[in-house]
Amino acid sequence: GQNIDQPTEMTATEGAIVQINCTYQTSGFNGLFWYQQHAGEAPTFLSYNVLDGLEEKGRFSSFLSRSKGYSYLLLKELQMKDSASYLCAASGSARQLTFGSGTQLTVLP
Amino acid sequence: GAVVSQHPSRVICKSGTSVKIECRSLDFQATTMFWYRQFPKKSLMLMATSNEGSKATYEQGVEKDKFLINHASLTLSTLTVTSAHPEDSSFYICSATSSGSYEQFFGPGTRLTVL
Repeated sequence: GQNIDQPTEMTATEGAIVQINCTYQTSGFNGLFWYQQHAGEAPTFLSYNVLDGLEEKGRFSSFLSRSKGYSYLLLKELQMKDSASYLCAASGSARQLTFGSGTQLTVLP
Repeated sequence: GAVVSQHPSRVICKSGTSVKIECRSLDFQATTMFWYRQFPKKSLMLMATSNEGSKATYEQGVEKDKFLINHASLTLSTLTVTSAHPEDSSFYICSATSSGSYEQFFGPGTRLTVL
């Protein structure tokens, strides 16, 4: 089976940096995805890591350690529009995604 | 590129009726499509995996006779909720992926309300 854990809620201030952690236990691992989801909308793709290390893409970076079953999403220079739910998802051998419960991020002025 | 559409975006139906939701990949061939359900303030739960031309693979606890999935072409998959009940009210989201790719492209979702 697969198990994905991430914090339920986080709060940060506009302009700050926030790190959202995710731990996973899975069989047939084929990579770790991060998605952003605003209320009532479908998830939008942020990042994909399959090898260990850090992937940087603008204000967002994502890190993966396969040996530790650990990933994080780093958001820099936070903006109010970054308030959303951030979903960690592990890809399995059949390319199916198992999602974590999501981390609701609130950015305060 | 990589656009996935869903229709309808919202549907309200009476209990006992059936509802069909379409998922289309607009600019690529989707060899595999996935159907998810999301309850308010909860994460996405995979319902089934659909490969073009073959029967869908359902996740444990998902009734295949209630949630009929058809993936007749490389650009279209449909989910039919049969004999809908109020507890079926949810946000249904499809995603699509092409052969050899691990990235899934999500549709905008369908909000189903069963009265």
